[in-house]
Amino acid sequence: EAGVTQFPSHSVIEKGQTVTLRCDPISGHDNLYWYRRVMGKEIKFLLHFVKESKQDESGMPNNRFLAERTGGTYSTLKVQPAELEDSGVYFCASSQDGLGGRTEAFFGQGTRLTVV
Amino acid sequence: AQSVTQPDIHITVSEGASLELRCNYSYGATPYLFWYVQSPGQGLQLLLKYFSGDTLVQGIKGFEAEFKRSQSSFNLRKPSVHWSDAAEYFCAVGPLAGSYQLTFGKGTKLSVIP
Repeated sequence: EAGVTQFPSHSVIEKGQTVTLRCDPISGHDNLYWYRRVMGKEIKFLLHFVKESKQDESGMPNNRFLAERTGGTYSTLKVQPAELEDSGVYFCASSQDGLGGRTEAFFGQGTRLTVV
Repeated sequence: AQSVTQPDIHITVSEGASLELRCNYSYGATPYLFWYVQSPGQGLQLLLKYFSGDTLVQGIKGFEAEFKRSQSSFNLRKPSVHWSDAAEYFCAVGPLAGSYQLTFGKGTKLSVIP
């Protein structure tokens, strides 16, 4: 069974440009999460999809970030325009049930975004 | 607000030595607790989890953790460290009431001396 897959693994862009990160969850997992780790800080929650619906987007830093999950399968996270402080590692995770159902979240390897 | 504290940023141990990584949390109820590991170039892998019941939980790769409610702690232990255990370890708590998000600590980087 394939795990959570993220593309690209690394991205270097200039300030002001647009970047789109992609996450393919484990097949059959309705729950998809995005997290971010800024250098030296905690891994922080960004948002949670249940199928194609945004269940919780309380962690999204500002309106330069747009997440979508069309059809309830893969998800994209777009940053437009990118700023220097957006640099970090973006993790995607998926789970079969929400954590209230006592299931674990499986994480991808992350996308390292560097804004210069 | 819930929070997780991992007081040790970096720990170095000799191969074969025992290991304990500390984790303290602040949470309004009995939490679900997790330890994840990130090896170089890899994603986050779940080592073990605590939901309820026996407070000593066994995980993969020979790791165990003990939930101590009175100390709000969930320390990770391994009796004998292998060089392949060198990685970064993250303690996490969840879910936040009304949300399924996890709250992570800052991580502890483990170096292993041959």
